[in-house]
Amino acid sequence: QVQLLQSGAEVKKPGASVKVSCKASGYTFAAYYMHWVRQAPGQGLEWMGWINPNSGATNYTQKFQGRVSMTSDTPINTAYMELSRLRSDDTAVYYCAREFWSGYPYFDSWGQGTLVTVSS
Amino acid sequence: DIQMTQSPSSLSASVGDRVTITCRASQSIGIFLNWYQQKPGEAPKLLIYGAFSLQSGVPSRFSGSGSGTDFTLTISSLQPEDFATYYCQQTYSSPSITFGQGTRLEIK
Repeated sequence: QVQLLQSGAEVKKPGASVKVSCKASGYTFAAYYMHWVRQAPGQGLEWMGWINPNSGATNYTQKFQGRVSMTSDTPINTAYMELSRLRSDDTAVYYCAREFWSGYPYFDSWGQGTLVTVSS
Repeated sequence: DIQMTQSPSSLSASVGDRVTITCRASQSIGIFLNWYQQKPGEAPKLLIYGAFSLQSGVPSRFSGSGSGTDFTLTISSLQPEDFATYYCQQTYSSPSITFGQGTRLEIK
């Protein structure tokens, strides 16, 4: 079955960078876009962007342009999301989610989430 | 960007109740509308895609309807495990995707 296993919780200082990994199994990794979504404490879901693991093409929402980088390593079926110049309001749980397409795109599988805490 | 507005923001209901949550898009999105359920401490779970298609394994008490700008998620008879937060998501403007702000469903 499809599984997305994310890296563990991180604590970072303001201004630092964080890199979260998402290891996929149970399907052909390169065949599906991978999205990243974050959720601040007590808040809703915020879409950040996606990567096409096959081509390396990315698309980021404007809010994170210049601070986020999404990459993938297809031989090891792993996607990464790196966020730089961290601020306290970047404290959130970060999820990876696989995009599936059945006439319409949707996120059919999600990682368990990675808590990133930004604190001095 | 397409804005998604859910109503109500929170809702109290009892086991066995019929519940409806609405989601309105700021412009027409066809049926590019998905619904997710999220329980505390867990990742979201897909319930409905393409406005009305039930994801495999999701109980049939969940149903979706609508097109264009107005959509609904209906739970026909609430079960204890249904108390959670529900989010709509539009993928019409992909590659730019947006979620509604969520509807918290609580036990009355």
